[in-house]
Amino acid sequence: NAGVTQTPKFRVLKTGQSMTLLCAQDMNHEYMYWYRQDPGMGLRLIHYSVGEGTTAKGEVPDGYNVSRLKKQNFLLGLESAAPSQTSVYFCASSYQTSISSDTQYFGPGTRLTVL
Amino acid sequence: AQSVTQLDSHVSVSEGTPVLLRCNYSSSYSPSLFWYVQHPNKGLQLLLKYTSAATLVKGINGFEAEFKKSETSFHLTKPSAHMSDAAEYFCVVRGNAGNMLTFGGGTRLMVKP
Repeated sequence: NAGVTQTPKFRVLKTGQSMTLLCAQDMNHEYMYWYRQDPGMGLRLIHYSVGEGTTAKGEVPDGYNVSRLKKQNFLLGLESAAPSQTSVYFCASSYQTSISSDTQYFGPGTRLTVL
Repeated sequence: AQSVTQLDSHVSVSEGTPVLLRCNYSSSYSPSLFWYVQHPNKGLQLLLKYTSAATLVKGINGFEAEFKKSETSFHLTKPSAHMSDAAEYFCVVRGNAGNMLTFGGGTRLMVKP
């Protein structure tokens, strides 16, 4: 049981390049999330998914797209990377939302630098 | 709308002394509250959570937090700091509107030998 895994761990891009971050979970969770972490700002929600085939915008969605083609995978795409997207990206998953105390489980993070 | 304020961006304590990390929140709903810990270059790990049951919540590694509705606070404490407690700590609130979490800015805990 690996929990939540993220690929890659590190990446350096040039402005304008594109890339996809992969998140995978083996806990059969319905909900999945992408966050970015910047110094002094905690984590901010980019996009989330409430189930296979569904996605929704979070707090800071601009410049990102997501897809949830399979329940266990949640992809985050940057179509044209900008230096402002330099950050650490975390994926998380949770089982359900009907219980208000439901816990989100986080992956180890992807450190992205855009030059 | 909901928000979280962690009152100290950095806290430094000596090993063996008490730890206090302060958190205030605002929420339109009865909130669920969490503390997560992040060790250097690692993901986030849940320390403890408040879910409208007992107001004093015990977590892992000897940490606990007390929910005080009148003060809108959820401070994290530990009686005796250990070197391995050095990390960044996040206070998190979740309202009734879905499973959306709002994070505080984080408090970096340093433990001196």
